[in-house]
Amino acid sequence: DAGVIQSPRHEVTEMGQEVTLRCKPISGHNSLFWYRQTMMRGLELLIYFNNNVPIDDSGMPEDRFSAKMPNASFSTLKIQPSEPRDSAVYFCASSLPLGNTEAFFGQGTRLTVV
Amino acid sequence: AQSVTQLGSHVSVSEGALVLLRCNYSSSVPPYLFWYVQYPNQGLQLLLKYTTGATLVKGINGFEAEFKKSETSFHLTKPSAHMSDAAEYFCAVRTDSGGGADGLTFGKGTHLIIQP
Repeated sequence: DAGVIQSPRHEVTEMGQEVTLRCKPISGHNSLFWYRQTMMRGLELLIYFNNNVPIDDSGMPEDRFSAKMPNASFSTLKIQPSEPRDSAVYFCASSLPLGNTEAFFGQGTRLTVV
Repeated sequence: AQSVTQLGSHVSVSEGALVLLRCNYSSSVPPYLFWYVQYPNQGLQLLLKYTTGATLVKGINGFEAEFKKSETSFHLTKPSAHMSDAAEYFCAVRTDSGGGADGLTFGKGTHLIIQP
């Protein structure tokens, strides 16, 4: 398996624009996570899906952020409109839906909003 | 609710010296504990995990960690540091709630610096 695949790897956009980050989890993994990493706040869990259903979205910072998982092999994280403070590295991870299983991470998308 | 505290945002050791990275967790149910490593511009990679059974777990690259329930700790150690160990290390906790597995909660991370 190729692992968790994220695209794009880098994104530079202007403030106010819509940004869509994409993720393909490992086949057979029913749990999917979106994390945001910044120097100030570390790794923050934004949202967690189980069997394509959002289980916990309490980490989504505000209504500008939305995430979808239309099927077991694809998820998107959308920011509309984007702001400079959204600049961060966004990671997608997937796992089996069991507490004793680890999450496998993608390479991340480095987002810069200017 | 679950949380993780990593003491020391930066730890510096000499090459060949003992590495000790501290992690304490908080969980209302039995926890599953993980250590991840992150190299620059890369995603996180699993070092080791504790689920049940033996409380001393061994991982990749010579690292090991011991689960101490009484101290709510899961400290990471390596007997002899190597230059290639320089990276960011994250401790994480996950639990099973009534509705299934919870999300993976991470500590703030510890940046390990290896001095030649």
